[in-house]
Amino acid sequence: GQQVMQIPQYQHVQEGEDFTTYCNSSTTLSNIQWYKQRPGGHPVFLIQLVKSGEVKKQKRLTFQFGEAKKNSSLHITATQTTDVGTYFCAGRNRGSTLGRLYFGRGTQLTVWP
Amino acid sequence: GAGVSQSPSNKVTEKGKDVELRCDPISGHTALYWYRQSLGQGLEFLIYFQGNSAPDKSGLPSDRFSAERTGGSVSTLTIQRTQQEDSAVYLCASSGSGPTYNEQFFGPGTRLTVL
Repeated sequence: GQQVMQIPQYQHVQEGEDFTTYCNSSTTLSNIQWYKQRPGGHPVFLIQLVKSGEVKKQKRLTFQFGEAKKNSSLHITATQTTDVGTYFCAGRNRGSTLGRLYFGRGTQLTVWP
Repeated sequence: GAGVSQSPSNKVTEKGKDVELRCDPISGHTALYWYRQSLGQGLEFLIYFQGNSAPDKSGLPSDRFSAERTGGSVSTLTIQRTQQEDSAVYLCASSGSGPTYNEQFFGPGTRLTVL
């Protein structure tokens, strides 16, 4: 069945260092979404990527969708303490715009001041 | 309402009791999802509704779990004969059903503790 794997599970960085989390799907995806969950909070949508090879930026965050639409990454440049939280990727099966989102297990980011 | 709401925010129950968790999605959102999140863990999919029907209920862990949705709006997740391993945060999310852009909006969750 469909699986979305995400690594690493945990990442501890010093403030100012960069951070990357990777997401891999066992099957081709129609799109991929990224969510952030702050400690004690609920997941909040960050972005959606749809096109093969797509790259999107939000300030210090860069999101990529692989050419084969089976992998994705989130890169944060010069982390800040406000970046602390768990980052989840989530994908939908190829050809589907509705229905279940398959979530990765998440990467929990800790930033030391 | 302005966002997804869930009630109660916290529920403490004794093993063997039944519980009902409620989700009020964003008005107009036809898709509704239930997830379970144990402490420090990822999101475990439970069930997906499109309108009042549930085309995907593959994540329900056992027949003690059931969910329904009425009027294409409010949803209730029922857990019968609760067990200690049911303790977790239960999250509800809703989304629109447009052709391409269907981000999920999550509620604050219900923290269930089974003693």
